[in-house]
Amino acid sequence: DTGVSQDPRHKITKRGQNVTFRCDPISEHNRLYWYRQTLGQGPEFLTYFQNEAQLEKSRLLSDRFSAERPKGSFSTLEIQRTEQGDSAMYLCASSLAGALAGVKETQYFGPGTRLLVL
Amino acid sequence: AQSVSQHNHHVILSEAASLELGCNYSYGGTVNLFWYVQYPGQHLQLLLKYFSGDPLVKGIKGFEAEFIKSKFSFNLRKPSVQWSDTAEYFCAVNVRAGGTSYGKLTFGQGTILTVHP
Repeated sequence: DTGVSQDPRHKITKRGQNVTFRCDPISEHNRLYWYRQTLGQGPEFLTYFQNEAQLEKSRLLSDRFSAERPKGSFSTLEIQRTEQGDSAMYLCASSLAGALAGVKETQYFGPGTRLLVL
Repeated sequence: AQSVSQHNHHVILSEAASLELGCNYSYGGTVNLFWYVQYPGQHLQLLLKYFSGDPLVKGIKGFEAEFIKSKFSFNLRKPSVQWSDTAEYFCAVNVRAGGTSYGKLTFGQGTILTVHP
């Protein structure tokens, strides 16, 4: 399967602990997105990268959140000092954007990492 | 900032009934429009997309959607639903800025479709 993969699929942690999630995009996709989804809501944008560059961060992304994409391939999302309000599904998506795709950019989603903060 | 509204939170139909799920967005400029579907236990999958051209777009599994610019709408339709269409459906939009898309998707809150056999 050459789709977007995420690891782990589930994470249970205690309040105050740090957690890190990984996303592997579809090969050759230059953009990588992070979204957060809570129960009964649609996904909400957190941040995205084009290659290694982090181009935008949402106001939802507090200073406890940090994301990296060091080599322009996989990405990590770290949450420090987790709070119960961080409990959610964290989704990763990738796309091919720019000169090759023009405006016809389509994002493909991974299975998500479900975080529960106790 | 753009926003997306899906008017129906939960729709219940019997097999063979026709389906229309509403989606409206608020943004005055050029947009790309998408419908994603999430089947139980699975991840978000692209159902169909609109970038430009014919406002009636066809997707997978017999779904179609019509972009009506004057109404800022992108409603999803299927003439005859099946039990296997039971899922949650999300409308999403991103805005076009200059020559390339803006990237981030703004999603509606989702519509849960339950189809009874």
